[in-house]
Amino acid sequence: DGGITQSPKYLFRKEGQNVTLSCEQNLNHDAMYWYRQDPGQGLRLIYYSQIVNDFQKGDIAEGYSVSREKKESFPLTVTSAQKNPTAFYLCASSIAARQGAFSYGYTFGSGTRLTVV
Amino acid sequence: AQSVTQPDIHITVSEGASLELRCNYSYGATPYLFWYVQSPGQGLQLLLKYFSGDTLVQGIKGFEAEFKRSQSSFNLRKPSVHWSDAAEYFCAVGAGTGGFKTIFGAGTRLFVKA
Repeated sequence: DGGITQSPKYLFRKEGQNVTLSCEQNLNHDAMYWYRQDPGQGLRLIYYSQIVNDFQKGDIAEGYSVSREKKESFPLTVTSAQKNPTAFYLCASSIAARQGAFSYGYTFGSGTRLTVV
Repeated sequence: AQSVTQPDIHITVSEGASLELRCNYSYGATPYLFWYVQSPGQGLQLLLKYFSGDTLVQGIKGFEAEFKRSQSSFNLRKPSVHWSDAAEYFCAVGAGTGGFKTIFGAGTRLFVKA
């Protein structure tokens, strides 16, 4: 079955460490997204990528970095510059065409819960 | 600026009762509107979407939503709630050029009592 796989499900980070969250999709979707979810704040966009080797900052990109070397993969690195990284991180994908991205909605992974210890 | 407001942080309904979750949006053009559902510790699942045509849209799991342009609303309804509907529900609007930016509301958590 096609879908999005996020790993790990739980991740613990020490102060000052960089950590990388994995996101892989086999839906043949062109566009991929990273969202951060905090209680009572809904989802906030960190980065998105429309095609391989291209990505754009979202609303809260500071302290995060991404890469898109393969269509299937869109890893997110939470750097030590992110002062409050404890959150639930969601990866999503969609058809890339302008109308398609909205016509079909997003497919989400099951998330990674990151905790700073 | 585009925005989505879900006025109710949480709602409790009895099993078998009807449900309406409210959503108001702010967007200059004709919006693309969505409702997603999230079970605890899981990702979001698309329930339904609207972008043109009939203003009453049907979704999965027996949900429906009505687009009212005059009220800038897109409320989600279900005639009879089941215990398995307990989850968090997010309203969202597709915004921005290129079709890549979706703005989510803060969510409404639904509790179902027996």
